[in-house]
Amino acid sequence: AQTVTQSQPEMSVQEAETVTLSCTYDTSESDYYLFWYKQPPSRQMILVIRQEAYKQQNATENRFSVNFQKAAKSFSLKISDSQLGDAAMYFCAYRSARGGADGLTFGKGTHLIIQP
Amino acid sequence: GAVVSQHPSWVICKSGTSVKIECRSLDFQATTMFWYRQFPKQSLMLMATSNEGSKATYEQGVEKDKFLINHASLTLSTLTVTSAHPEDSSFYICSARSGYTDTQYFGPGTRLTVL
Repeated sequence: AQTVTQSQPEMSVQEAETVTLSCTYDTSESDYYLFWYKQPPSRQMILVIRQEAYKQQNATENRFSVNFQKAAKSFSLKISDSQLGDAAMYFCAYRSARGGADGLTFGKGTHLIIQP
Repeated sequence: GAVVSQHPSWVICKSGTSVKIECRSLDFQATTMFWYRQFPKQSLMLMATSNEGSKATYEQGVEKDKFLINHASLTLSTLTVTSAHPEDSSFYICSARSGYTDTQYFGPGTRLTVL
């Protein structure tokens, strides 16, 4: 079974600064997908960024980028120019590429606080 | 685009009653839908995978007779919590996978409180 570990229960960053959220995972599969989801107080899950394991290039979405290290099974999220609206729970998630097993496995989450 | 709705958003019921939660993909067809459970200040845990027209696949430890899932159409899946007990109180979230984008889109969740 796959596991996802987020070792930072809470992170705090000053507005406009850069913050990196850590995520490691364990799997015996070679083909899979990794995601970062944001859950604001409304509890609506919002996809932040997605990475396919077969792609060496790190995914980027505007101010959000990842550092994907497949050999180390590490998938960190960097948020640049932090904004007050970035404050939320952030969940790292794993999805197998194997057919019929594509439910998401989530880490425990990191609570991101943005200080004005 | 890619909107998923859930109904109701909040429900309170008495112990022993059954509660049905609907999950709809509003602007796309979803051959696969997923049901997750989230306890306060915890992560989401996958309960089951629902495929249109077939039986749901439940994760280990999830009672299939207690959490009945029906995926009758490409836009609707329902979760029925049967004989609910206070320990079933939780936040239930569905997601629907778009076959076009191969991305899971989440509903806003349903808060269930069993008295």
